[in-house]
Amino acid sequence: NAGVTQTPKFQVLKTGQSMTLQCAQDMNHNSMYWYRQDPGMGLRLIYYSASEGTTDKGEVPNGYNVSRLNKREFSLRLESAAPSQTSVYFCATQENSEQYFGPGTRLTVT
Amino acid sequence: ILNVEQSPQSLHVQEGDSTNFTCSFPSSNFYALHWYRWETAKSPEALFVMTLNGDEKKKGRISATLNTKEGYSYLYIKGSQPEDSATYLCAFKTSYDKVIFGPGTSLSVIP
Repeated sequence: NAGVTQTPKFQVLKTGQSMTLQCAQDMNHNSMYWYRQDPGMGLRLIYYSASEGTTDKGEVPNGYNVSRLNKREFSLRLESAAPSQTSVYFCATQENSEQYFGPGTRLTVT
Repeated sequence: ILNVEQSPQSLHVQEGDSTNFTCSFPSSNFYALHWYRWETAKSPEALFVMTLNGDEKKKGRISATLNTKEGYSYLYIKGSQPEDSATYLCAFKTSYDKVIFGPGTSLSVIP
C-alpha cells in the first residue's frame, strides 16, 4: 500500500502561473486535508473534504481551490500563484482522529 | 480564535539527557490531543493520541501526559538519542471536528 502520495515533489512557478497539486490515497479514508507548512507557523489547514463530493474551507483558503472527484483523490489548485504561496504543502487523510500525511510538495513562487 | 502553543520553540540536548516540552491548548471543546514526530524531509508520523484527562501514554523512551482541565500536555523523552532529533508537533482536535496544529518544538540531540 502506498498510503498517501503527492505529486509533484518540487515545483517552481512564476507569479501569475497556475498549477494543480495532486494527492491520492489507497487507505479508503473518507476525510482528506490540505495543509501548508511555513517556518514557525506549524501546519495550517487550507481546505478539507469530509467525504467524496464535499469540500470546506480551512484556516487559510484564499488563493486556492480544491476538488474531490472521488474517494481516492483530492487536488489543490492555485489559479494565479503569488510569492506568498511559497510553502511546503501536505496532504493528509484521517481515520479515528489520527491523520496520515503525504510526503509533501515544496512549491516556490518567484 | 483557537490557539495551540508549544514551548520551547527549539531545544538542543546532549545524547543521554532526558528532556520534555509542552503543548498548550484551549481547555474548552476538547476532543483529543495528538503528538506527531516530524523528521526533516519526511512527513509527520503519529506518536500518541490522548482523549481523557489524566491520560498517560508511553512508547519506548517517549511518554506523554494530558491535562484537559488546564489545557496542557507534556512530552517526555528519556535518555535522548541522536535519532530522536525531529520536530515534535501537537494537534488539538475540538469536539466539533476542527484540528489545530501547534508550531512544533524542534529537538536536536547532540552525540
